[in-house]
Amino acid sequence: QTVVTQEPSFSVSPGGTVTLTCGLTSGSVSTSHSPSWYQQTPGQAPRTLIYNTNTRSSGVPDRFSGSILGNKAALTITGAQADDESDYYCVLYFTSGIYVFGGGTKLTVL
Amino acid sequence: QVQLQESGPGLVTPSGTLSLTCAVSGGSISSSNWWMWVRQPPGKGLEYIGEVFHNGRTNYNPSLKSRVTMSVDKSKNQFSLNLNSVTAADTAVYYCGRIYCDSDRCHYYFDYWGQGTLVTVSS
Repeated sequence: QTVVTQEPSFSVSPGGTVTLTCGLTSGSVSTSHSPSWYQQTPGQAPRTLIYNTNTRSSGVPDRFSGSILGNKAALTITGAQADDESDYYCVLYFTSGIYVFGGGTKLTVL
Repeated sequence: QVQLQESGPGLVTPSGTLSLTCAVSGGSISSSNWWMWVRQPPGKGLEYIGEVFHNGRTNYNPSLKSRVTMSVDKSKNQFSLNLNSVTAADTAVYYCGRIYCDSDRCHYYFDYWGQGTLVTVSS
Protein backbone atom coordinates (compact mmCIF):
# COMPACT_ATOMS: atom_id res chain seq x y z
CA GLN A 1 0.00 0.00 0.00
CA THR A 2 1.25 3.45 -0.91
CA VAL A 3 2.12 5.63 2.05
CA VAL A 4 2.81 9.32 1.70
CA THR A 5 5.23 10.60 4.30
CA GLN A 6 5.55 14.01 5.93
CA GLU A 7 7.50 15.26 8.93
CA PRO A 8 5.14 15.03 11.95
CA SER A 9 6.28 18.40 13.26
CA PHE A 10 8.56 21.28 12.43
CA SER A 11 9.52 24.52 14.09
CA VAL A 12 10.57 27.81 12.54
CA SER A 13 11.46 31.21 13.93
CA PRO A 14 9.48 34.26 12.84
CA GLY A 15 11.03 35.55 9.65
CA GLY A 16 12.81 32.29 9.03
CA THR A 17 12.59 29.82 6.20
CA VAL A 18 11.30 26.28 6.48
CA THR A 19 10.92 23.48 3.97
CA LEU A 20 8.37 20.74 4.54
CA THR A 21 8.63 17.60 2.47
CA CYS A 22 6.29 14.98 1.05
CA GLY A 23 7.70 11.61 0.10
CA LEU A 24 6.80 8.02 -0.63
CA THR A 25 7.71 4.92 1.35
CA SER A 26 8.48 3.34 -1.99
CA GLY A 27 9.67 5.30 -4.99
CA SER A 28 10.08 8.96 -5.81
CA VAL A 29 7.62 11.80 -6.01
CA SER A 30 7.51 13.47 -9.41
CA THR A 31 5.45 16.11 -11.15
CA SER A 32 3.27 13.31 -12.51
CA HIS A 33 1.88 12.95 -8.98
CA SER A 34 0.61 16.55 -9.26
CA PRO A 35 1.64 17.37 -5.70
CA SER A 36 -0.64 19.80 -3.92
CA TRP A 37 -0.41 21.39 -0.48
CA TYR A 38 -3.09 22.46 1.99
CA GLN A 39 -3.00 24.52 5.17
CA GLN A 40 -5.38 23.79 8.01
CA THR A 41 -5.91 25.60 11.29
CA PRO A 42 -7.92 24.01 14.13
CA GLY A 43 -11.64 23.84 13.48
CA GLN A 44 -11.30 25.07 9.91
CA ALA A 45 -11.53 23.46 6.52
CA PRO A 46 -8.26 23.03 4.63
CA ARG A 47 -7.09 25.89 2.47
CA THR A 48 -5.46 25.19 -0.87
CA LEU A 49 -1.93 26.62 -1.10
CA ILE A 50 -0.10 24.96 -3.98
CA TYR A 51 -1.13 22.72 -6.87
CA ASN A 52 0.60 21.10 -9.83
CA THR A 53 3.83 21.01 -7.78
CA ASN A 54 4.52 24.75 -7.78
CA THR A 55 1.47 26.82 -8.75
CA ARG A 56 0.12 29.05 -5.99
CA SER A 57 -3.61 29.09 -5.50
CA SER A 58 -5.38 32.42 -5.84
CA GLY A 59 -4.66 34.77 -2.95
CA VAL A 60 -1.79 32.74 -1.50
CA PRO A 61 1.19 34.92 -0.55
CA ASP A 62 4.36 34.44 -2.55
CA ARG A 63 6.26 33.43 0.58
CA PHE A 64 4.76 29.99 -0.08
CA SER A 65 6.40 28.03 -2.86
CA GLY A 66 6.37 24.45 -4.06
CA SER A 67 9.00 22.32 -5.76
CA ILE A 68 10.47 18.88 -6.20
CA LEU A 69 13.58 18.41 -4.08
CA GLY A 70 15.39 15.19 -4.80
CA ASN A 71 12.79 12.45 -4.61
CA LYS A 72 10.21 14.44 -2.64
CA ALA A 73 7.77 17.27 -3.12
CA ALA A 74 8.52 20.28 -0.99
CA LEU A 75 6.70 23.28 0.43
CA THR A 76 8.92 26.19 1.37
CA ILE A 77 7.79 29.09 3.52
CA THR A 78 10.12 32.07 3.28
CA GLY A 79 9.80 34.73 5.94
CA ALA A 80 7.50 32.74 8.21
CA GLN A 81 4.82 34.66 10.06
CA ALA A 82 2.97 33.85 13.26
CA ASP A 83 -0.23 33.04 11.40
CA ASP A 84 1.59 30.41 9.36
CA GLU A 85 1.40 28.21 12.45
CA SER A 86 -0.88 25.46 11.14
CA ASP A 87 -1.05 21.88 9.98
CA TYR A 88 0.15 21.32 6.44
CA TYR A 89 -0.92 18.42 4.27
CA CYS A 90 0.36 17.25 0.93
CA VAL A 91 -1.68 15.22 -1.52
CA LEU A 92 -0.36 13.06 -4.32
CA TYR A 93 -2.39 11.84 -7.27
CA PHE A 94 -2.13 8.28 -8.48
CA THR A 95 -3.82 6.70 -11.47
CA SER A 96 -7.53 5.95 -11.69
CA GLY A 97 -8.66 8.88 -9.62
CA ILE A 98 -6.89 7.97 -6.40
CA TYR A 99 -5.53 10.70 -4.17
CA VAL A 100 -3.44 10.02 -1.07
CA PHE A 101 -2.88 12.46 1.77
CA GLY A 102 0.31 12.64 3.74
CA GLY A 103 0.00 12.40 7.50
CA GLY A 104 0.43 16.14 7.90
CA THR A 105 3.09 18.37 9.45
CA LYS A 106 2.34 20.52 12.47
CA LEU A 107 4.28 23.74 12.02
CA THR A 108 5.13 25.84 15.03
CA VAL A 109 6.33 29.41 14.63
CA LEU A 110 8.33 30.53 17.68
CA GLN B 1 -17.34 31.88 -6.40
CA VAL B 2 -18.22 28.25 -5.86
CA GLN B 3 -19.56 27.34 -2.44
CA LEU B 4 -20.19 23.89 -1.00
CA GLN B 5 -22.31 22.98 2.00
CA GLU B 6 -22.48 19.58 3.65
CA SER B 7 -25.63 18.40 5.37
CA GLY B 8 -26.86 15.25 7.05
CA PRO B 9 -27.33 13.53 10.42
CA GLY B 10 -24.70 14.29 13.01
CA LEU B 11 -25.26 10.96 14.76
CA VAL B 12 -25.34 7.49 13.19
CA THR B 13 -25.77 4.20 15.01
CA PRO B 14 -23.14 1.47 14.64
CA SER B 15 -23.71 -0.88 11.69
CA GLY B 16 -25.96 1.76 10.12
CA THR B 17 -25.43 3.92 7.04
CA LEU B 18 -23.90 7.37 7.05
CA SER B 19 -25.56 9.60 4.45
CA LEU B 20 -24.38 13.10 3.59
CA THR B 21 -25.25 15.58 0.88
CA CYS B 22 -23.15 18.40 -0.52
CA ALA B 23 -25.02 21.31 -2.08
CA VAL B 24 -23.12 23.22 -4.74
CA SER B 25 -23.78 26.91 -5.39
CA GLY B 26 -22.10 29.41 -7.67
CA GLY B 27 -21.41 26.76 -10.27
CA SER B 28 -22.94 23.79 -12.05
CA ILE B 29 -22.39 20.26 -10.90
CA SER B 30 -22.54 19.30 -14.56
CA SER B 31 -19.35 21.20 -15.33
CA SER B 32 -16.07 19.53 -16.26
CA ASN B 33 -15.07 19.18 -12.59
CA TRP B 34 -15.14 16.14 -10.38
CA TRP B 35 -16.57 16.27 -6.87
CA MET B 36 -14.96 14.65 -3.85
CA TRP B 37 -15.34 13.65 -0.20
CA VAL B 38 -12.57 13.75 2.42
CA ARG B 39 -12.82 12.98 6.12
CA GLN B 40 -10.84 13.75 9.26
CA PRO B 41 -11.21 11.78 12.50
CA PRO B 42 -10.92 13.96 15.62
CA GLY B 43 -7.30 14.92 16.21
CA LYS B 44 -6.06 13.01 13.16
CA GLY B 45 -5.15 13.64 9.54
CA LEU B 46 -7.15 13.90 6.36
CA GLU B 47 -8.31 10.86 4.39
CA TYR B 48 -9.57 10.86 0.80
CA ILE B 49 -12.82 8.92 0.41
CA GLY B 50 -13.55 9.23 -3.28
CA GLU B 51 -14.81 11.27 -6.21
CA VAL B 52 -17.84 11.42 -8.48
CA PHE B 53 -18.51 12.97 -11.89
CA HIS B 54 -21.84 14.35 -13.01
CA ASN B 55 -22.43 11.35 -15.29
CA GLY B 56 -22.21 8.99 -12.32
CA ARG B 57 -18.64 7.81 -12.77
CA THR B 58 -16.90 7.23 -9.48
CA ASN B 59 -13.50 6.41 -8.02
CA TYR B 60 -13.12 5.31 -4.42
CA ASN B 61 -10.31 4.90 -1.90
CA PRO B 62 -9.54 1.17 -2.05
CA SER B 63 -9.63 0.95 1.75
CA LEU B 64 -13.27 2.12 1.79
CA LYS B 65 -14.47 0.93 -1.60
CA SER B 66 -16.57 -1.96 -0.31
CA ARG B 67 -18.68 0.37 1.86
CA VAL B 68 -18.89 3.61 -0.16
CA THR B 69 -21.37 4.86 -2.72
CA MET B 70 -21.36 8.34 -4.24
CA SER B 71 -23.98 9.83 -6.53
CA VAL B 72 -25.03 13.08 -8.19
CA ASP B 73 -28.43 14.78 -8.32
CA LYS B 74 -28.23 17.22 -11.20
CA SER B 75 -31.74 18.59 -10.59
CA LYS B 76 -30.68 19.78 -7.14
CA ASN B 77 -27.08 20.61 -8.06
CA GLN B 78 -25.79 18.40 -5.30
CA PHE B 79 -23.90 15.17 -4.72
CA SER B 80 -24.05 12.59 -1.99
CA LEU B 81 -22.02 10.14 0.06
CA ASN B 82 -23.27 6.89 1.57
CA LEU B 83 -21.02 4.84 3.85
CA ASN B 84 -22.53 1.63 5.18
CA SER B 85 -21.69 -0.70 8.05
CA VAL B 86 -20.23 2.16 10.06
CA THR B 87 -18.26 1.76 13.28
CA ALA B 88 -16.80 4.21 15.76
CA ALA B 89 -13.74 4.43 13.49
CA ASP B 90 -15.90 6.28 10.97
CA THR B 91 -16.48 9.14 13.40
CA ALA B 92 -15.00 12.17 11.67
CA VAL B 93 -15.52 15.59 10.16
CA TYR B 94 -16.60 14.97 6.57
CA TYR B 95 -15.67 17.53 3.93
CA CYS B 96 -16.98 17.78 0.40
CA GLY B 97 -15.05 19.59 -2.27
CA ARG B 98 -14.26 20.10 -5.90
CA ILE B 99 -11.47 18.67 -8.02
CA TYR B 100 -10.62 21.25 -10.65
CA CYS B 101 -10.80 20.17 -14.27
CA ASP B 102 -10.92 22.44 -17.29
CA SER B 103 -11.91 21.63 -20.84
CA ASP B 104 -8.50 20.06 -21.49
CA ARG B 105 -7.78 17.96 -18.43
CA CYS B 106 -8.05 17.58 -14.69
CA HIS B 107 -5.45 19.31 -12.56
CA TYR B 108 -5.72 16.78 -9.75
CA TYR B 109 -6.16 19.04 -6.76
CA PHE B 110 -8.94 20.22 -4.50
CA ASP B 111 -9.72 23.87 -5.15
CA TYR B 112 -12.95 24.39 -3.18
CA TRP B 113 -13.93 22.89 0.17
CA GLY B 114 -17.07 22.83 2.24
CA GLN B 115 -16.87 23.86 5.88
CA GLY B 116 -17.19 20.24 7.04
CA THR B 117 -19.72 18.41 9.16
CA LEU B 118 -19.05 16.21 12.17
CA VAL B 119 -20.59 12.77 12.08
CA THR B 120 -20.42 10.69 15.25
CA VAL B 121 -21.03 6.94 15.21
CA SER B 122 -22.48 5.91 18.53
CA SER B 123 -25.41 4.06 20.02
